[in-house]
Amino acid sequence: GDSVTQMEGPVTLSEEAFLTINCTYTATGYPSLFWYVQYPGEGLQLLLKATKADDKGSNKGFEATYRKETTSFHLEKGSVQVSDSAVYFCALKPSRETSYDKVIFGPGTSLSVIP
Amino acid sequence: NAGVMQNPRHLVRRRGQEARLRCSPMKGHSHVYWYRQLPEEGLKFMVYLQKENIIDESGMPKERFSAEFPKEGPSILRIQQVVRGDSAAYFCASSPNLQGPEQYFGPGTRLTVT
Repeated sequence: GDSVTQMEGPVTLSEEAFLTINCTYTATGYPSLFWYVQYPGEGLQLLLKATKADDKGSNKGFEATYRKETTSFHLEKGSVQVSDSAVYFCALKPSRETSYDKVIFGPGTSLSVIP
Repeated sequence: NAGVMQNPRHLVRRRGQEARLRCSPMKGHSHVYWYRQLPEEGLKFMVYLQKENIIDESGMPKERFSAEFPKEGPSILRIQQVVRGDSAAYFCASSPNLQGPEQYFGPGTRLTVT
């Protein structure tokens, strides 16, 4: 079945460091891919998305590129801030448009940024 | 445009009591999803509903748990005879239609069973 795998956390970085959170997926066809972020005590917010191969999603300095050949959607940011401390979830929605398919979430990666 | 609303934000119940969690989707959204997040774990899908219909309840425990999304009013997740293991954050999400890829999440209800 379809699945999402993320690098295990927690990840601890100093402010202004470069961030990479790896995400790989297993799915048939061309799923849509997402990164969601969950700040402490809150619900999930959509951070960015990509709906087809080679698309790059970007938002708030974060980027991720849909790589069909490596089935990956790694999250990157050039310079993290303390306010980026949160849990990041990679997710996919299968591409079968004629019937319902639920969004599948990865286990989440906790990021702590220290001043 | 108000986002997805959930209430209460925090709910404390004693073992054996009932818990009722409410979710109002975003305006114009007719698809509602419930997820459970246990401490230090990811999101687990529970149930997907449209107005007056349960579409997929494959993630919901067979006993004590039920969900509804009536024609009028919010979606309700009901947990009867709660146990300590039900303590978790319960999140609701909504989407406008079947083809829309992303979901919009509410702030969650944190249930504590004492």
